[in-house]
Amino acid sequence: NAGVTQTPKFQVLKTGQSMTLQCAQDMNHNSMYWYRQDPGMGLRLIYYSASEGTTDKGEVPNGYNVSRLNKREFSLRLESAAPSQTSVYFCASSDVDRSYGYTFGSGTRLTVV
Amino acid sequence: GDSVTQMEGPVTLSEEAFLTINCTYTATGYPSLFWYVQYPGEGLQLLLKATKADDKGSNKGFEATYRKETTSFHLEKGSVQVSDSAVYFCALSDRRGFQKLVFGTGTRLLVSP
Repeated sequence: NAGVTQTPKFQVLKTGQSMTLQCAQDMNHNSMYWYRQDPGMGLRLIYYSASEGTTDKGEVPNGYNVSRLNKREFSLRLESAAPSQTSVYFCASSDVDRSYGYTFGSGTRLTVV
Repeated sequence: GDSVTQMEGPVTLSEEAFLTINCTYTATGYPSLFWYVQYPGEGLQLLLKATKADDKGSNKGFEATYRKETTSFHLEKGSVQVSDSAVYFCALSDRRGFQKLVFGTGTRLLVSP
């Protein structure tokens, strides 16, 4: 099925470990996003990529890095995981006309112990 | 900055009851407005949208009308089903600049038989 694919679905890390969350979309969308979802706080934007070759910080970028590898793929890296980064992470993509909304992946549940 | 305020949940209803979830927004421009739904263990799905004042978005029996005078976009459904149990997010996308989505904190709906 067409859409946004995230891997892995679940991950447990120890404090200080690093990992990369992968995201790929097959809808030929220009823009991609990483959000984190925490109880009572809704979704907060970490980083976004307006188009291939560009990335920008969102609301909560500290502790994260991103790479827009090509038009399809947008990865999120935690260099040194902290318990505060325990969250559910969602990748999303959108077309040039963002009034059509975003398409979301199914999420990665990350626990940092 | 732009923001979205939703009523706190959970909202608990019996099957076939009428549903209203309130959403108000603050934006300096003329945003597009969205409702997304998140079923347990899944990512967010676009439920409906409206792009200008007095527009009514509708889908799967849900409706919301863009009210510029009250800066509101309340979600309604005439008769809820158990299968509507989910978390509902109101969001806006300002037409200025890059038009990132800004989400409310979400409202959990629980429908009992």
